[in-house]
Amino acid sequence: GALVYQYPRRTICKSGTSMRMECQAVGFQATSVAWYRQSPQKTFELIALSTVNSAIKYEQNFTQEKFPISHPNLSFSSMTVLNAYLEDRGLYLCGASGNSDYTFGSGTRLLVI
Amino acid sequence: GEQVEQLPSILRVQEGSSASINCSYEDSASNYFPWYKQEPGENPKLIIDIRSNMERKQIQELIVLLDKKAKRFSLHITDTQPGDSAMYFCAASEMGTGNYKYVFGAGTRLKVIA
Repeated sequence: GALVYQYPRRTICKSGTSMRMECQAVGFQATSVAWYRQSPQKTFELIALSTVNSAIKYEQNFTQEKFPISHPNLSFSSMTVLNAYLEDRGLYLCGASGNSDYTFGSGTRLLVI
Repeated sequence: GEQVEQLPSILRVQEGSSASINCSYEDSASNYFPWYKQEPGENPKLIIDIRSNMERKQIQELIVLLDKKAKRFSLHITDTQPGDSAMYFCAASEMGTGNYKYVFGAGTRLKVIA
């Protein structure tokens, strides 16, 4: 079946430092990868949508300068949170799709201290 | 872009009764509507979905209804149990297009009281 692995599951970083998270699709080709952030007590905000052979589209309030994303092939994507601060804490979810419904990873829970 | 409104934000029901969560969307191009359940500290899990070529879908105690004209869809949990207590999120998307992404509602916290 289609599976998406995300790592690390949990991480802590010091305020002002950066943190990279990875997303691996297994069993299907991830032509689209969507990265979301769920801040405490909130819903899932789309950060950016990456479709192979297209430019990565960032949503309002999110920029490539802050959340650079790589999607080099049909099974892998990574996103870095640069210069993380308290407001960046939350659950970062990666969803991958091969033209069917999205399969989500377990998320990377980021704590900033 | 697409926006999804979800109500209510908090829902308390007696065990054994039904719970209903309503969502509305703006973009008539949306054609796929999944529902997710999220337990505390966990990632969201897909529980049921519906495509735009259907008006109703049921999986055991879960029923989803879709009214494309009104751009509304809803989740109904019949015979609720304490284990149904969780956060529920609806989403809308344009599956099969270059703009395929899920736009989530704000979430509903369901509490089933024994």
